[in-house]
Amino acid sequence: GENVEQHPSTLSVQEGDSAVIKCTYSDSASNYFPWYKQELGKGPQLIIDIRSNVGEKKDQRIAVTLNKTAKHFSLHITETQPEDSAVYFCAASLIQGAQKLVFGQGTRLTINP
Amino acid sequence: DADVTQTPRNRITKTGKRIMLECSQTKGHDRMYWYRQDPGLGLQLIYYSFDVKDINKGEISDGYSVSRQAQAKFSLSLESAIPNQTALYFCATSDATLGGGTQYFGPGTRLTVL
Repeated sequence: GENVEQHPSTLSVQEGDSAVIKCTYSDSASNYFPWYKQELGKGPQLIIDIRSNVGEKKDQRIAVTLNKTAKHFSLHITETQPEDSAVYFCAASLIQGAQKLVFGQGTRLTINP
Repeated sequence: DADVTQTPRNRITKTGKRIMLECSQTKGHDRMYWYRQDPGLGLQLIYYSFDVKDINKGEISDGYSVSRQAQAKFSLSLESAIPNQTALYFCATSDATLGGGTQYFGPGTRLTVL
């Protein structure tokens, strides 16, 4: 089955700098890659996703890149702000069928003022 | 109002007790999921359901059971709780007709088994 590895487990950056979180997946059949943000005491919330027919997707300060050949995808946050502090999870699944998400272990991002 | 609600939000129980966690959704989605979150392990799928007549096991279903009472309600039961089931539990929903696979999560239930 699918296995997703996420790095780093913790990341601390200065406000205004960029943050990058990386994930690798094992099943070449996976074709849907969402990123979730989890704030303290809340459930994960989708922030951006990408399908395998696209190499990059941007939404304001966040972007995701996908390298299907290497089976890895990354989340990029630019001009970081204190409200970006949270735990971020990557996931992989097949859009068809059961759509079971397999999650990475999570990255705790801290933005230092 | 929240689209996906979970009750209770916090529960402390003792080993051997039967516990039920409930999930309700107003999104009109057909698919519902139960996940468990442990520190450093991300979220792991326990059970999922495509409709009221369809229940499927996930990665870690042992010790758990579920019931899909209606399209909007999906309950998770621990028949005889044990301490290593102490975790955060999340319910999620998705709409198969949208084709995107996006799952929407509830606020979670923090369960402690003593």
